Amino acid sequence: DVKVTQSSRYLVKRTGEKVFLECVQDMDHENMFWYRQDPGLGLRLIYFSYDVKMKEKGDIPEGYSVSREKKERFSLILESASTNQTSMYLCASSAPGTGQEQFFGPGTRLTVL
Amino acid sequence: GQNIDQPTEMTATEGAIVQINCTYQTSGFNGLFWYQQHAGEAPTFLSYNVLDGLEEKGRFSSFLSRSKGYSYLLLKELQMKDSASYLCAAYNNAGNMLTFGGGTRLMVKP
Repeated sequence: DVKVTQSSRYLVKRTGEKVFLECVQDMDHENMFWYRQDPGLGLRLIYFSYDVKMKEKGDIPEGYSVSREKKERFSLILESASTNQTSMYLCASSAPGTGQEQFFGPGTRLTVL
Repeated sequence: GQNIDQPTEMTATEGAIVQINCTYQTSGFNGLFWYQQHAGEAPTFLSYNVLDGLEEKGRFSSFLSRSKGYSYLLLKELQMKDSASYLCAAYNNAGNMLTFGGGTRLMVKP
């Protein structure tokens, strides 16, 4: 059974803290993605990666960075968390090629106080 | 720019048929995905249309018209477990990316 896992389901942090969200996939996928999901706005792409040590900005990269040191792991970093980063964060992975299905993790609900 | 529109909420009766529409205006369009997301869970893949026409998968069908920038998801013989959000997403071949609409929350009533 294919799987994308995320390190935490719920996380509470304080303004200014550095936050790490981890994502691991066991499908040997090249592509990995980080989204945030907010009511009425749908899923918005923050960053994605096509390969190890490679990253590309999505639609809303400001305030975030990413790291991909190993193929199976893609980390999202909030250098200095702010209240407007309170959201549901979803990680996804896909195989290379046109129109490949993205497999999603269960999500991390982050609250920044 | 990228713009995906779908209704925010819909309500339907168990056993009925419901159609969820999605219109899109995107650059580099190369296909339309539909995902289902139950509350508190991850989105799961339903369908991918790249050519015009209707594709059927059991109780669910998806339609695409590239010339009209329009897609719909058709759910037949509705069941209570179909209560979920349905996400429409346009695939951009240039960047291998998905652009999602806001999602349609479907409530199925007895």
